[in-house]
Amino acid sequence: KQEVTQIPAALSVPEGENLVLNCSFTDSAIYNLQWFRQDPGKGLTSLLLIQSSQREQTSGRLNASLDKSSGRSTLYIAASQPGDSATYLCAFSNNAGNMLTFGGGTRLMVKP
Amino acid sequence: NAGVMQNPRHLVRRRGQEARLRCSPMKGHSHVYWYRQLPEEGLKFMVYLQKENIIDESGMPKERFSAEFPKEGPSILRIQQVVRGDSAAYFCASSPKPGGVSGNTIYFGEGSWLTVV
Repeated sequence: KQEVTQIPAALSVPEGENLVLNCSFTDSAIYNLQWFRQDPGKGLTSLLLIQSSQREQTSGRLNASLDKSSGRSTLYIAASQPGDSATYLCAFSNNAGNMLTFGGGTRLMVKP
Repeated sequence: NAGVMQNPRHLVRRRGQEARLRCSPMKGHSHVYWYRQLPEEGLKFMVYLQKENIIDESGMPKERFSAEFPKEGPSILRIQQVVRGDSAAYFCASSPKPGGVSGNTIYFGEGSWLTVV
């Protein structure tokens, strides 16, 4: 059974800092990895999708990496802004393919 | 192209009543997923449906919960005889291809917040 852990659970940084959010998983038999953003009281917005054959994806100030051998993924946010404040969730689709397994999320606060 | 539409956004029900949550997938998407987010917990998969078929319901509670995705109209998540522990955010997602297809992206709705009093 896939277990997904996100560390830290909460993070507060001053504006402008580069930061790394971590996600670890126990089952390397994954299809895709997705990073999502969730704002309070809102749904999830997909940020980056990494296929199992890929090692990283980039979009703007975001870079996500996937290392299946070590069971880890990281989300790198460059030059953080107050608008980046949200909860960031990683999720894996497994071999069965039908469902995403989510981590507990990292609540990020970027202070002006 | 409108996103995944869920309604109602907020629903209050007394214990013992029924709750019906509706989800219209993105245009062209025939794969629908329901997830539940309990307070202070992560999102948990509930059920995966295609038009008129339940593909995977391994995350659905055994009693009181049911889901459908008819040929016409939205997908419905139905909770009978609600209890306080059902209070949660229920998210619907859709995709154009099965969730396990490599590279497939799943799009989420804004959620329906159920409060049982």
